[in-house]
Amino acid sequence: ELKVEQNPLFLSMQEGKNYTIYCNYSTTSDRLYWYRQDPGKSLESLFVLLSNGAVKQEGRLMASLDTKARLSTLHITAAVHDLSATYFCAVAQSYNTDKLIFGTGTRLQVFP
Amino acid sequence: EPEVTQTPSHQVTQMGQEVILRCVPISNHLYFYWYRQILGQKVEFLVSFYNNEISEKSEIFDDQFSVERPDGSNFTLKIRSTKLEDSAMYFCASTPSGATTDTQYFGPGTRLTVL
Repeated sequence: ELKVEQNPLFLSMQEGKNYTIYCNYSTTSDRLYWYRQDPGKSLESLFVLLSNGAVKQEGRLMASLDTKARLSTLHITAAVHDLSATYFCAVAQSYNTDKLIFGTGTRLQVFP
Repeated sequence: EPEVTQTPSHQVTQMGQEVILRCVPISNHLYFYWYRQILGQKVEFLVSFYNNEISEKSEIFDDQFSVERPDGSNFTLKIRSTKLEDSAMYFCASTPSGATTDTQYFGPGTRLTVL
């Protein structure tokens, strides 16, 4: 059964600093997604990563995928307060399904 | 920008009662999903639905749960006899075609509280 783990679970960082969130998954998959969730709100799609070595960037966030290592990273550059949220990675269960298995989430707090 | 909508935003019910959660997926989308998130925990897949039938369901989605697309726009999740442990945020999601490149777009959620 596919398991998805994120670390850290909680991250408190100062504005302007850089940090990386890690997402490990246990079995082969061809799709990995990153979502953002603000408190009490829905899930906002950030990135879809479909192949080994895929890298996508949007503003201060950059996501990458290493399918051989079964690892995705979400890198935050020069954090700002607006990035405070919970970040989830989600992995497609298998090649022929769109069932997503979510990670535990990383709660990010950015302070001045 | 089109978005998934859900009603109600919050539903309070007594244990053993039936509830129906409603979703309006994005209009040209063909694949629909329900997920739930127990407070403070991760998001869990419940069911996927395409062409008026269930494509896949999780072990959580037992006989107490059912889904329906009663018309061309709504997609509903029914819980026949609610339990305390059904208290959670329920998210509906949709994708255009189910292709591997598709993102699942999530609605704002319905918070279900079972007393």
